[in-house]
Amino acid sequence: GAVVSQHPSWVICKSGTSVKIECRSLDFQATTMFWYRQFPKQSLMLMATSNEGSKATYEQGVEKDKFLINHASLTLSTLTVTSAHPEDSSFYICSAPGTGNWATNEKLFFGSGTQLSVL
Amino acid sequence: KQEVTQIPAALSVPEGENLVLNCSFTDSAIYNLQWFRQDPGKGLTSLLLIQSSQREQTSGRLNASLDKSSGRSTLYIAASQPGDSATYLCAVRPNYGGATNKLIFGTGTLLAVQP
Repeated sequence: GAVVSQHPSWVICKSGTSVKIECRSLDFQATTMFWYRQFPKQSLMLMATSNEGSKATYEQGVEKDKFLINHASLTLSTLTVTSAHPEDSSFYICSAPGTGNWATNEKLFFGSGTQLSVL
Repeated sequence: KQEVTQIPAALSVPEGENLVLNCSFTDSAIYNLQWFRQDPGKGLTSLLLIQSSQREQTSGRLNASLDKSSGRSTLYIAASQPGDSATYLCAVRPNYGGATNKLIFGTGTLLAVQP
């Protein structure tokens, strides 16, 4: 199936630093990318939706100035956690609906996730 | 507000046993429901997708049912194997006057199949 490549898988950083997470769509163009966050023993929660060439849409309670999303190309979306703090430690995962040969109105293709630990 | 709950939170069974995972949702206005498998460090794998008009879907040893009116879905795993050990998530896709791509996930069931 279509692949969404997410990097890095793990990142440990000091408090106050910024961390960038990348999601690349392989074999298809991701015009839309969904970013989720999962705290331990909790559900995956949608943070924001990015569309190529336009501003991202953030869910209620998610700080857009802290979680910067860039979707400048049809195959790459990035999430930057700015001035990270220990409470931002979480599992972040992206997903995209398929397009082209992988177009389906049903399934989303998920990245492998990024475990962020802020010390 | 749609809420998705999964019971049990964790389950440990001996190899070969049949088992049922439960998912309930509060708002029946859904477009579809999906069951995913989540392995540590490997993201999500879609297992089964049931449209709102369907009652069940089957894939190999997996069978998922959907009762939209009661807000419930079950995932049945036959003849469980140690390789089935993972976290199983259900997610609903709301239908707010039209399908959205937004998925609302449950908290998951952590399954351990003992050899």
